Amino acid sequence: QQQVKQSPQSLIVQKGGISIINCAYENTAFDYFPWYQQFPGKGPALLIAIRPDVSEKKEGRFTISFNKSAKQFSLHIMDSQPGDSATYFCAASYSNYQLIWGAGTKLIIKP
Amino acid sequence: DVKVTQSSRYLVKRTGEKVFLECVQDMDHENMFWYRQDPGLGLRLIYFSYDVKMKEKGDIPEGYSVSREKKERFSLILESASTNQTSMYLCASSLGPGGQGARAFFGQGTRLTVV
Repeated sequence: QQQVKQSPQSLIVQKGGISIINCAYENTAFDYFPWYQQFPGKGPALLIAIRPDVSEKKEGRFTISFNKSAKQFSLHIMDSQPGDSATYFCAASYSNYQLIWGAGTKLIIKP
Repeated sequence: DVKVTQSSRYLVKRTGEKVFLECVQDMDHENMFWYRQDPGLGLRLIYFSYDVKMKEKGDIPEGYSVSREKKERFSLILESASTNQTSMYLCASSLGPGGQGARAFFGQGTRLTVV
């Protein structure tokens, strides 16, 4: 029940395309769903986050779509750029300080 | 902006050595975490602390211990390093419970190699 399942493990997208990464969870008590971005040699950094009372959140080219009934959420990167090449982690938390992490997706944007 | 600083970027240690990894945060955060990151396994929580002198085991505490004597500093100790502890170690801090209070700020990581 504590797991967050992330897919795909790796993803290659052409420049200008849409990158989509999916996550699924079991625990309905989760109330905070962030996405983190990690570049090689760096620690992860918060990219965008959503609470379960909304179905979508958009920040620039990055959008989280949230489906509460299906217990799934996804990250969409529009007009993907080579600078978006990184590892992306989804996570979930339930009113405390602990984050439950997905396994990560390595995204490569081909020029 | 929050700064989380890990004392070393790269470390090479011998099997059986006692290893100390240090982490300092400058934003008065209550919570601090140690993770290890391995390819295909994501981030695995080793230990966390929600207050000075408090510690809780994470998912993989075996072979590790921690110390938090001051709010800003959280140390990870490998009691007797083994080759299977070769990994990237990440320290993080966060403000407190609830919503964006769960937002974690990470250090740059320490790549530890045990030979």
